[in-house]
Amino acid sequence: QQQVKQSPQSLIVQKGGISIINCAYENTAFDYFPWYQQFPGKGPALLIAIRPDVSEKKEGRFTISFNKSAKQFSLHIMDSQPGDSATYFCAASGSNDYKLSFGAGTTVTVRA
Amino acid sequence: GAGVSQTPSNKVTEKGKYVELRCDPISGHTALYWYRQSLGQGPEFLIYFQGTGAADDSGLPNDRFFAVRPEGSVSTLKIQRTERGDSAVYLCASSSFGGAAYNEQFFGPGTRLTVL
Repeated sequence: QQQVKQSPQSLIVQKGGISIINCAYENTAFDYFPWYQQFPGKGPALLIAIRPDVSEKKEGRFTISFNKSAKQFSLHIMDSQPGDSATYFCAASGSNDYKLSFGAGTTVTVRA
Repeated sequence: GAGVSQTPSNKVTEKGKYVELRCDPISGHTALYWYRQSLGQGPEFLIYFQGTGAADDSGLPNDRFFAVRPEGSVSTLKIQRTERGDSAVYLCASSSFGGAAYNEQFFGPGTRLTVL
């Protein structure tokens, strides 16, 4: 069964808008939460990642917010650009575990 | 510096046939992973190699699936008696070290397998 639940399945945002993707998990052993970006015909590429010792991590226009008590984390894409149009996957892994458990993905379309 | 490469990029086969999918990891990466991505889903773990040995093959769906990495570099995923349900994109990833997912996994573009 899927260990990480991701929503929405797809979203459309205007250029300059904010894209928000949410993920939830049940396994309390998870302590590494990366986000991957995938363009058509390409493999996923690491975008940004967070450990549970912080509640937020920002890299450029991309921010992860993490709520340990709720077992939820989210990706915010600020000032969305057409080049951000891609499928985004959240993932999770346990301490010293090499397996990544992925969400089902969110297809983001940024309209110019 | 080349990334992870996978061949072929597309493979169409008939039900019951045998297929091999190849992965060339980033040079020097000791850890190699295979994932399967079905349509509309995230990648699902299949197998993990540390060097030449399969450290964890718990994600392989059944005994029709097998993978090797004889010299600790190139890996081949082998599927016997293919079934239509095997149709998916097979992704390979490598990382400089194994043991923990925070050692970034670099993914190849995948092989799209279609079983008719």
